[in-house]
Amino acid sequence: SQQGEEDPQALSIQEGENATMNCSYKTSINNLQWYRQNSGRGLVHLILIRSNEREKHSGRLRVTLDTSKKSSSLLITASRAADTASYFCATAQHTGTASKLTFGTGTRLQVTL
Amino acid sequence: EAGVAQSPRYKIIEKRQSVAFWCNPISGHATLYWYQQILGQGPKLLIQFQNNGVVDDSQLPKDRFSAERLKGVDSTLKIQPAKLEDSAVYLCASSSSGGGSYEQYFGPGTRLTVT
Repeated sequence: SQQGEEDPQALSIQEGENATMNCSYKTSINNLQWYRQNSGRGLVHLILIRSNEREKHSGRLRVTLDTSKKSSSLLITASRAADTASYFCATAQHTGTASKLTFGTGTRLQVTL
Repeated sequence: EAGVAQSPRYKIIEKRQSVAFWCNPISGHATLYWYQQILGQGPKLLIQFQNNGVVDDSQLPKDRFSAERLKGVDSTLKIQPAKLEDSAVYLCASSSSGGGSYEQYFGPGTRLTVT
């Protein structure tokens, strides 16, 4: 089952603009991760934010986490054509000796010149 | 550092046939995962290994899917017999420690088409 739901499902912007994607989830988490997937490079980890963190930055990426609303957002600033890809949030849950990621449905981002 | 290797990259089979996928994780990574990604959806975890032991296979359709990780390194995922709904990309990932506390490194995937 999918834990996260991304919004919007698809986003089209011009190069240089900012892109914001949102993720909502249903159960408590230990951390939340964002991944990018494009046809050329497969799934690539972008950033991890722990449940006790509210905001994290990495280069042009900014992630926020609101555990009270069970939601997260990913902001890509000054977008480039190379940012065209699908973006997935993934929630991590520890259960006993196991800990696993559950991926959302993804946002397809198209950056045009 | 070499990434996660998977083979084959593409496979086309008829329903009721069997198929096997192979994965070689990043050297030293104790945890290995197999995911199924159906077109338009996010990856769904099928099975997670810690070294050569299974820690989570709750979403693996055990009547037709099986997986093993011999000697805690390479892994194979098998489907027997395949159904049309098994058409998907099968992703292998590895991480240096257990579970979701650490980033996972994904292979290129095997695209399976069942006709």
